[in-house]
Amino acid sequence: SQQGEEDPQALSIQEGENATMNCSYKTSINNLQWYRQNSGRGLVHLILIRSNEREKHSGRLRVTLDTSKKSSSLLITASRAADTASYFCATEPMMDSSYKLIFGSGTRLLVRP
Amino acid sequence: DAMVIQNPRYQVTQFGKPVTLSCSQTLNHNVMYWYQQKSSQAPKLLFHYYDKDFNNEADTPDNFQSRRPNTSFCFLDIRSPGLGDAAMYLCATSRDTGRLYEQYFGPGTRLTVT
Repeated sequence: SQQGEEDPQALSIQEGENATMNCSYKTSINNLQWYRQNSGRGLVHLILIRSNEREKHSGRLRVTLDTSKKSSSLLITASRAADTASYFCATEPMMDSSYKLIFGSGTRLLVRP
Repeated sequence: DAMVIQNPRYQVTQFGKPVTLSCSQTLNHNVMYWYQQKSSQAPKLLFHYYDKDFNNEADTPDNFQSRRPNTSFCFLDIRSPGLGDAAMYLCATSRDTGRLYEQYFGPGTRLTVT
């Protein structure tokens, strides 16, 4: 079953603008991760936020987690054309001890030069 | 340096003709995963190995099998590919460090079924 749903499904912005993507999930989690996927390639891990954390930063990335609302957001500041990719959230369900991640449906980001 | 390697990158097979996709890793991670990803969709977990322990997802068709002969290698066998099996197949690894971990993905193998 799909744990995460992402919003929007697609986002088009101008270079230099900020991009915000949202993820909602259904069950309690141990952690939430964000991945990036360039077209036709594998996924690359961006950032992991634990269930007891509320915000985390990595370079131009800012992730927030609201466990009461079962939601997370990924903010990319000062976007660049090279940020064009699909972004997926992935959750590790708390009750599942099998080291699985469940991926959301993804947001396709286009950054126009 | 490539850490998770998938071969081939592109594979064309005929309807019903068995095909094997391979994955190798230089990370010495104990967990290896196979995902199927169709166009504009989320990666869907097919199965994973924790060391030699095989864990199949409940909705993975019997047509899909896997082998892990050693820590470094893992194979995905599709016994009788159908047109619906055309997809990108992603291999990933992770290291069991407790509850917090990230997955490292290979570049994927794009499978075409004719």
